Amino acid sequence: AQSVAQPEDQVNVAEGNPLTVKCTYSVSGNPYLFWYVQYPNRGLQFLLKYITGDNLVKGSYGFEAEFNKSQTSFHLKKPSALVSDSALYFCAVRPLSSNTGKLIFGQGTTLQVKP
Amino acid sequence: NAGVMQNPRHLVRRRGQEARLRCSPMKGHSHVYWYRQLPEEGLKFMVYLQKENIIDESGMPKERFSAEFPKEGPSILRIQQVVRGDSAAYFCASSPRPGSGGLTDTQYFGPGTRLTVL
Repeated sequence: AQSVAQPEDQVNVAEGNPLTVKCTYSVSGNPYLFWYVQYPNRGLQFLLKYITGDNLVKGSYGFEAEFNKSQTSFHLKKPSALVSDSALYFCAVRPLSSNTGKLIFGQGTTLQVKP
Repeated sequence: NAGVMQNPRHLVRRRGQEARLRCSPMKGHSHVYWYRQLPEEGLKFMVYLQKENIIDESGMPKERFSAEFPKEGPSILRIQQVVRGDSAAYFCASSPRPGSGGLTDTQYFGPGTRLTVL
């Protein structure tokens, strides 16, 4: 079965420190990969996506993500965390076998950045 | 440029009533997806629609749930005879041209409708 795993329910970092939010996937072939952020009682906001090319993708708000094909991972990173980055982060994949474009989401990781 | 609009933002229904959730896609987008987010869980795909067509409803429950996207007006997700287990946040997303020619397209999400069934 196709799936996305975010192994950490919560990640805690101090402001100014680097952060990593992990994501691994299990789908056939090479999927398209996405990260979204959700603030309380809000919808999902698109951060970045990997389609092809350079394995390091840069997105909104200083976030970046690294695609690792051998490890089937797409971890989200930021060099220096801000308190305002505290939110719920979702990794999602779109299998190439899906001709309807639906996304498969991980369960989400809560990022808590402390001052 | 307005984003994806959903209304109502909050909806309370008693068991057995009907719930109607509306979604207006972003300007220029003619493809709509509905997802459901249960408490403490990620989003689960429900249905994908183009104008006047249901393309993929593989994530829709077999009974009580239906969706439409008419030629004019918003997309509607309809839940008949709601039960407590239907309580969730329902998100709509839109994109310009998904499918084999647009798999790289980003889906943009609305703020969601939070349904509470008493």
